[in-house]
Amino acid sequence: DTGVSQNPRHKITKRGQNVTFRCDPISEHNRLYWYRQTLGQGPEFLTYFQNEAQLEKSRLLSDRFSAERPKGSFSTLEIQRTEQGDSAMYLCASRLGLAGGTGELFFGEGSRLTVL
Amino acid sequence: AQSVTQLGSHVSVSEGALVLLRCNYSSSVPPYLFWYVQYPNQGLQLLLKYTTGATLVKGINGFEAEFKKSETSFHLTKPSAHMSDAAEYFCAVRIGGSQGNLIFGKGTKLSVKP
Repeated sequence: DTGVSQNPRHKITKRGQNVTFRCDPISEHNRLYWYRQTLGQGPEFLTYFQNEAQLEKSRLLSDRFSAERPKGSFSTLEIQRTEQGDSAMYLCASRLGLAGGTGELFFGEGSRLTVL
Repeated sequence: AQSVTQLGSHVSVSEGALVLLRCNYSSSVPPYLFWYVQYPNQGLQLLLKYTTGATLVKGINGFEAEFKKSETSFHLTKPSAHMSDAAEYFCAVRIGGSQGNLIFGKGTKLSVKP
């Protein structure tokens, strides 16, 4: 399978605990994106990487959230001291960032977080 | 700032009927426009996209959309609904030349009645 892979698919945690999600993008894609989707809403942009560099962060990404892409391949999204408001689906997407490219994103199946 | 508005959070049609899902965008420069579909507990799958050229775009599963600059619209249609079309549909916009950050609408849930 050469699609975008996310793990774990589901995570249930207690408020105050830390959680980490992993995303493995399509291998030749140099750009990787994280989105958050809550019930009844469209995906909201959190952050994106070009290779290992984190180039943009949304204001939605509070200081409890950190994302890394250390070798320009897989990425992790960590949430510290989780709150009930963090409950959402976290979507990872990737694309090949070519100048003038069409910007089509390829999405993983998401990691659903439930904070009790 | 660019934004996307999807009219109708829930649309219900009968099997075999026309599907019309509405999307309007705001952008000061020519946009790239996308429709994605999401089935329950799954990620998003691209249905079709408009970048440049022909304004009527055909996608997968019999869907098509027409870019109308004068109306700032990109409505999604399918002549005949099938039960398997029941899903949530998202319209998204990317400003041409930007770094590919898609902005999504809130989505329209399509129900198909037998």
